[in-house]
Amino acid sequence: DSGVTQTPKHLITATGQRVTLRCSPRSGDLSVYWYQQSLDQGLQFLIQYYNGEERAKGNILERFSAQQFPDLHSELNLSSLELGDSALYFCASSGTGYGYTFGSGTRLTVV
Amino acid sequence: AQSVTQLDSHVSVSEGTPVLLRCNYSSSYSPSLFWYVQHPNKGLQLLLKYTSAATLVKGINGFEAEFKKSETSFHLTKPSAHMSDAAEYFCVVSDLAGGYNKLIFGAGTRLAVHP
Repeated sequence: DSGVTQTPKHLITATGQRVTLRCSPRSGDLSVYWYQQSLDQGLQFLIQYYNGEERAKGNILERFSAQQFPDLHSELNLSSLELGDSALYFCASSGTGYGYTFGSGTRLTVV
Repeated sequence: AQSVTQLDSHVSVSEGTPVLLRCNYSSSYSPSLFWYVQHPNKGLQLLLKYTSAATLVKGINGFEAEFKKSETSFHLTKPSAHMSDAAEYFCVVSDLAGGYNKLIFGAGTRLAVHP
């Protein structure tokens, strides 16, 4: 157990739907990062939050959004889902040192 | 911008033989570099990290990597491969662009270990 908890582990949904992925960071970590891993794109950085505020944006689509709550957990919202959004979505957290701790991911399948 | 290039998409070795996974980086300043491992259907686990201390970095499970500035390389090695080492390995650089720290992943190297 890495200390970063992601739920659900698996999600199957239809095109056009909306889903929410949840991440609880390791205790004491203020930063949360979201990554998408797909076969054709590899691991892509989506977005970072630090203590509730958005800090950096990567290759995140406008249909996707995220937020970090006062208790530091984060949610990634994916809407108007397309087949190409099928991927493994990772959350990671970090504290004051370098290097992140990753969760085990949420596997999203859009059918 | 920082980037990493993993020179081999697949590496195949026999159990008990050495492992070499190659990584070159591009950075406009002294980088922080990492190797992560991903076993099938699992998350990403940190193997080791370089943050401008000793150039030879020892990680978990017998892996180590050497930072060579002159060659802009950060190759991952292990003297003797185990079957359990079969996984995907990612070389990663820390990008401080915009003042915020985020990790940039290489494309990955899939390591196969044969009996």
